Amino acid sequence: LAKTTQPISMDSYEGQEVNITCSHNNIATNDYITWYQQFPSQGPRFIIQGYKTKVTNEVASLFIPADRKSSTLSLPRVSLSDTAVYYCLPWNSGYSTLTFGKGTMLLVSP
Amino acid sequence: NAGVMQNPRHLVRRRGQEARLRCSPMKGHSHVYWYRQLPEEGLKFMVYLQKENIIDESGMPKERFSAEFPKEGPSILRIQQVVRGDSAAYFCASSPSKGNEKLFFGSGTQLSVL
Repeated sequence: LAKTTQPISMDSYEGQEVNITCSHNNIATNDYITWYQQFPSQGPRFIIQGYKTKVTNEVASLFIPADRKSSTLSLPRVSLSDTAVYYCLPWNSGYSTLTFGKGTMLLVSP
Repeated sequence: NAGVMQNPRHLVRRRGQEARLRCSPMKGHSHVYWYRQLPEEGLKFMVYLQKENIIDESGMPKERFSAEFPKEGPSILRIQQVVRGDSAAYFCASSPSKGNEKLFFGSGTQLSVL
């Protein structure tokens, strides 16, 4: 299982764009990169997944360069409600479970 | 379509008592996963069950912990003779199939052992 490394915490202000980078130097060829978001006192929820290049949905964008050794989750114009822990994890359909690290604690201030 | 339901939301037990945590998966989901989250730590996988079967219990402590997912009714995580170190948030997730990247999590049960 590929090891992932993320910053422990990040601070931002409302209205700014936030980019959270995850390193995964040993990612397997058939692994996708999946991101989850966890609000305080709640379970995580899936936000986005990608394999290569760029993926965008209503919540975030995910950038994965050609070498796939890292990925960047981009949150446009964050609000206070985006304060949460963000987890980056490798996944492929052969995994029976998801393995979470400690994630990145994003604190958005007014 | 109700999400994953966990109860109780908070559970207080004294050392030596038993804790029973319940999880009702989303409708149509037959795969259930239990995770534990200690303060200031990430989620740790405990066990993965499909109806009436334990598929992977590699993260489950060998003693005092057990899990089941009967044909009818919720999945149960049972902790016997609780100790203070069992205090944590226990999350249940469900999915419609194996190897699915989208797990749907409940709001968790916060277990406090006095």
